[in-house]
Formats: sequence, structure tokens, C-alpha cells
Amino acid sequence: QVQLVQSGAEVKKPGASVKVSCKASGYTFTSYDINWVRQATGQGLEWMGWMNPNSGNTGYAQKFQGRVTMTRNTSISTAYMELSSLRSEDTAVYYCARGFRVVEMATTLSYSFDYWGQGTLVTVSS
Amino acid sequence: SYVLTQPPSVSVAPGKTARITCGGNNIGSKSVHWYQQKPGQAPVLVIYYDSDRPSGIPERFSGSNSGNTATLTISRVEAGDEADYYCQVWDSSSDHPNVVFGGGTKLTVL
Repeated sequence: QVQLVQSGAEVKKPGASVKVSCKASGYTFTSYDINWVRQATGQGLEWMGWMNPNSGNTGYAQKFQGRVTMTRNTSISTAYMELSSLRSEDTAVYYCARGFRVVEMATTLSYSFDYWGQGTLVTVSS
Repeated sequence: SYVLTQPPSVSVAPGKTARITCGGNNIGSKSVHWYQQKPGQAPVLVIYYDSDRPSGIPERFSGSNSGNTATLTISRVEAGDEADYYCQVWDSSSDHPNVVFGGGTKLTVL
């Protein structure tokens, strides 16, 4: 069965960086994108970006451009999300999610998330 | 940027039908996906491509999409359906294509 298992909770000081991991199993890791979505307490879902584990190509939400880096290690089927220059507003649960993309004529027609990790709480506090 | 609008809350009695809407400019031209999120848990995909159900999702869950409104319909609502529901699309209309989520709707089973 498909599983995405994330690393444990983190506590960071403002200005620091955090790196969260997401280990995939139950499917071919390089066949599907890995996305990162975050959720502050009591708030909605916020998409951060995607990464193609096969090529390493990435696409980031404009809000996080310059602050987020998504990478992978295909030998251990693990994706990583690093967020830098942390501030209190970055306190949230961070989820990885497998992306299912439908493409026609090189255009993405649909993009959904069929499996999710359990979430990683990142707390930014001085 | 593209905006999806959901009602903050919907209430329904057990056994009745709940309808949760997701409004967006010409959303009928996009594929809409719906997620269910229970407290303390990760979201779960319940509807994709407007109206398809993933394996394991009850037939009570259905979706439709036309014009400026997509709708998630839950028939014969059960107490276990109480959760937050989010709609989502892929927006390629701008120079920076991205994923857009609605603000979420809290479904309360009375």
C-alpha cells in the first residue's frame, strides 16, 4: 500500500531553517510528483510547491519563492522540503502529498493529491 | 490569482443530504477535487475530476461542476462525515500556474 511517512516535529528559532523529510513506499517513487502543503492551526490548506522526483524539477508557489527548496534522494525514496528565514507565521503542520497530474499537449489539465503524509508540526518561537 | 470561495459552515441532520459549494470564475472549465479532513488528521481525497470517487470512498459522496459553481454532495449523512471539506483546482490561467484550495467548509452533523 502507498505510504508517505514524514519526519518528526521541529522547534526552530526565528531566522533559522527547517528541513522536513517524506519517505515514500508502496509505489515507484520517481513516477509521481511530491507536493508540500501546510496548515496553520485552525486555518485552511496552503500549497507550497511540487517536485518531480525523476527529474528533480520543481515549481514553487510565488509566496514561497526564494525561501523554499524541494529536493529528493531517489536511492531511499525520500523527498525533502527546506524552508529558510523562518518567522512565527510559518508555525504550521507541513504535509507532503503525492501529486497526480493529467497532461495533454504539454499542458496540465488536472492536478490532485491522492495520498498524504501524516504531517509534521513545525513551531517557530524565540 | 484564481480564488475559490466556500461557505465557512454547513449543518445537516443525520440521514439528510449535505451540499457544499465551491465558487470560482468559470470553474466549470477546470477539474475540481475535494478533500475531507477530520480533526488531527491529514486530508483525504474524496472526489477527483469533478465527480469520480477514489477506491474506498462511499457512493454517498458525489460531485458536480458547472458554470461558476462546483458542488460536493453527501447523501444520507452520518455522524462520521463531520469534518472540514476543501475544494481544489489547478490554475494555469496566470503566468505562474499553481494549486488553489478553497478556504474550507466545516460540516456539522446535528
